[in-house]
Amino acid sequence: GNSVTQMEGPVTLSEEAFLTINCTYTATGYPSLFWYVQYPGEGLQLLLKATKADDKGSNKGFEATYRKETTSFHLEKGSVQVSDSAVYFCALITTNAGKSTFGDGTTLTVKP
Amino acid sequence: DGGITQSPKYLFRKEGQNVTLSCEQNLNHDAMYWYRQDPGQGLRLIYYSQIVNDFQKGDIAEGYSVSREKKESFPLTVTSAQKNPTAFYLCASSIPLYRANTGELFFGEGSRLTVL
Repeated sequence: GNSVTQMEGPVTLSEEAFLTINCTYTATGYPSLFWYVQYPGEGLQLLLKATKADDKGSNKGFEATYRKETTSFHLEKGSVQVSDSAVYFCALITTNAGKSTFGDGTTLTVKP
Repeated sequence: DGGITQSPKYLFRKEGQNVTLSCEQNLNHDAMYWYRQDPGQGLRLIYYSQIVNDFQKGDIAEGYSVSREKKESFPLTVTSAQKNPTAFYLCASSIPLYRANTGELFFGEGSRLTVL
């Protein structure tokens, strides 16, 4: 079956620091990969996505590259802000599964 | 604006009572999902529906029931059989993958259920 493994948190950074949140996956078939973000007390919203190998998803300064050879989709941002404090979820979906598989989430706190 | 509306946002229930959480979407999406989120944990799939009048159990369906009589609506009932129902419940929708979509999910704001 499909599975997603995320870097364990929580992660605490100072403002303007570099962020990496690791995500690796196992999947039957060819997955589409996603990062979702959840702000306190809210639902999840799509941050970025990639649908095939070597695609790079990007949004709001965040980036992630679909690496088929290492089955990874690590999230990066060059300079984090306090407003980036949230929970980040890596996820995938395959055609045969018909439903998404999520990682456990990584809580990011950015301090001024 | 198009989106997913969950209600109520907060709900309190006494033990032994059933409660129904509402989820409505005007995105014209065929597929809808219910997830449960516990503090510090990821999302666990309760039920999902790919089309009207059809739904499938997810990973933790015991103690829950759903219906899908209309495309726009996918209510979740938390029954008295659910042993530990206090949690944050999230509804989501998507265009099915067989329509050449990437499969991204659109989420509601969530409903927080507390059993007293």
